Amino acid sequence: GAGVSQSPSNKVTEKGKDVELRCDPISGHTALYWYRQSLGQGLEFLIYFQGNSAPDKSGLPSDRFSAERTGGSVSTLTIQRTQQEDSAVYLCASSPTLAKNIQYFGAGTRLSVL
Amino acid sequence: GESVGLHLPTLSVQEGDNSIINCAYSNSASDYFIWYKQESGKGPQFIIDIRSNMDKRQGQRVTVLLNKTVKHLSLQIAATQPGDSAVYFCAERYAGNTGKLIFGQGTTLQVKP
Repeated sequence: GAGVSQSPSNKVTEKGKDVELRCDPISGHTALYWYRQSLGQGLEFLIYFQGNSAPDKSGLPSDRFSAERTGGSVSTLTIQRTQQEDSAVYLCASSPTLAKNIQYFGAGTRLSVL
Repeated sequence: GESVGLHLPTLSVQEGDNSIINCAYSNSASDYFIWYKQESGKGPQFIIDIRSNMDKRQGQRVTVLLNKTVKHLSLQIAATQPGDSAVYFCAERYAGNTGKLIFGQGTTLQVKP
């Protein structure tokens, strides 16, 4: 079966523009996660969805960042008024509810803010 | 604050040798410790996890050791192969509803043929 799919794979935008990043999780996975990875760094947690609700948004760095999930499936991460420090790889992962240690990651969206 | 860190940024080993990748963590409240492998251009891939009430767990060619006294975690890879070349991250998680993982900075493993 298909793994976690993210689109676009690369996104170049100008400072101040809004961007939307999409994640298609593995079918049947109820848990979905967004992480951010800066160059040569570890992953930084952003937000966790269980179904369509987000019980943990603690990692969103500012109110410019938001995410939603619809139909218990596709999720969109939106960054408003992008800044250069937002440049990073944004990774999405999904897992079954009862196996949260085993998160299946997509290849990520590389965001470059000029 | 919360942090999970790795001792060495790069580890170079000869093919066939055993590799040991170390990790120090700071939060005693974590319930699970997990190792992920990330190959270039890909997302991380789960390797093995260990619960906080255990001190050793073995998988296929990998062993994870947990020493809670000194807050130290290690990943041992037996008979390292070229395909093991990647960045290895340790991570920790609190039990409960959230799936939040706290990742360390990563160790690059280079396997020389």
